[in-house]
Amino acid sequence: GAVVSQHPSRVICKSGTSVKIECRSLDFQATTMFWYRQFPKKSLMLMATSNEGSKATYEQGVEKDKFLINHASLTLSTLTVTSAHPEDSSFYICSAFPVGAKNIQYFGAGTRLSVL
Amino acid sequence: AQSVAQPEDQVNVAEGNPLTVKCTYSVSGNPYLFWYVQYPNRGLQFLLKYITGDNLVKGSYGFEAEFNKSQTSFHLKKPSALVSDSALYFCAVRGPQGYGQNFVFGPGTRLSVLP
Repeated sequence: GAVVSQHPSRVICKSGTSVKIECRSLDFQATTMFWYRQFPKKSLMLMATSNEGSKATYEQGVEKDKFLINHASLTLSTLTVTSAHPEDSSFYICSAFPVGAKNIQYFGAGTRLSVL
Repeated sequence: AQSVAQPEDQVNVAEGNPLTVKCTYSVSGNPYLFWYVQYPNRGLQFLLKYITGDNLVKGSYGFEAEFNKSQTSFHLKKPSALVSDSALYFCAVRGPQGYGQNFVFGPGTRLSVLP
């Protein structure tokens, strides 16, 4: 099946620093990728929709300047958490829709961010 | 607006017994329904989907789900549970509004299969 690679799987950073998370579709092209945040024992919360070649669409309540999304190619989207704070600590998951596929999205393995 | 409910936080079942994980939904129009499974510290894996057609949908790892329009339900089932089925299960719904439409996920149900 289709593979989505998410890197890093785990990152620990100091408060005030920025962290970049990569989401790559390894064997398919994706014009649309989603970024989710998952709190402990909670469901996935959609943060933003990443669109190749255009600006990301953010969900209500998600700070655009804090969570920078870039979808530079049909196989790569990045999420940068800027000036991270301890409350940003969470599990971040990306997913990607293959071009032409309407109903199947493939998920990355997630990135656990811990901000000290 | 779309919404998904999974009324049980936790389901415990003995290995070899049938299992059911419940899901109800609310969506305008005909729903697109999905089940995903998540293992610890991992992303979600697709199990099965209902778009149209037969109400009983068969998916990966022996799982199946039954779409019931009158009850707005899409319960996940398996005839004989395995210990390895222990994981977090998410039901999701998407409205039929085109390509890349956002999925709404339920809160998840933790399944524990006891040996």
